[in-house]
Amino acid sequence: AQTVTQSQPEMSVQEAETVTLSCTYDTSESNYYLFWYKQPPSRQMILVIRQEAYKQQNATENRFSVNFQKAAKSFSLKISDSQLGDTAMYFCAYQRGSNYKLTFGKGTLLTVNP
Amino acid sequence: ETGVTQTPRHLVMGMTNKKSLKCEQHLGHNAMYWYKQSAKKPLELMFVYNFKEQTENNSVPSRFSPECPNSSHLFLHLHTLQPEDSALYLCASSQELTMNTEAFFGQGTRLTVV
Repeated sequence: AQTVTQSQPEMSVQEAETVTLSCTYDTSESNYYLFWYKQPPSRQMILVIRQEAYKQQNATENRFSVNFQKAAKSFSLKISDSQLGDTAMYFCAYQRGSNYKLTFGKGTLLTVNP
Repeated sequence: ETGVTQTPRHLVMGMTNKKSLKCEQHLGHNAMYWYKQSAKKPLELMFVYNFKEQTENNSVPSRFSPECPNSSHLFLHLHTLQPEDSALYLCASSQELTMNTEAFFGQGTRLTVV
């Protein structure tokens, strides 16, 4: 069974600084997808960024980027120039290439301090 | 707003009550999902519907009964719940039931069973 581990239950960062959230996963598949979702206090989960395992290039979306290390099964999220609106729970999720199901980690609560 | 609306936002019910959660999506998606989010646990997929047909029941107790009358609406009927069923229940939808398709989430219903 696939598992997703987020080892940091909580993190904090000062506004305008950079923070990295870690995620590791366990799989025997070669084709899969990885996602980072954000859940702000409004509770609505929003997709932040996604990565296809067959792509070596790390995905980037504005201030959000990932460090995808396939051999190490690591998928960390870097947030640059942190903003107060980035305060949220962040969930890492795995999706097997042959299936639609998402396997989520337990989440990391990120607080951006002014 | 992600186009997925859940009502009510909060619900308190006794163990002998019967209530229903409602989810509506305005995105023209064909797949809809119910997830359970408990504190300090990963999101758990409960049910999946594709073109109104249930394709997944993830060993959910029969006290939870889903209904999907059309591709835009999804209900979760609740009866004789237990206190451990207290959680945030999230509805999501996606265009298709395939991999690498983005899931759009509602804001959830915070359920408390007393």
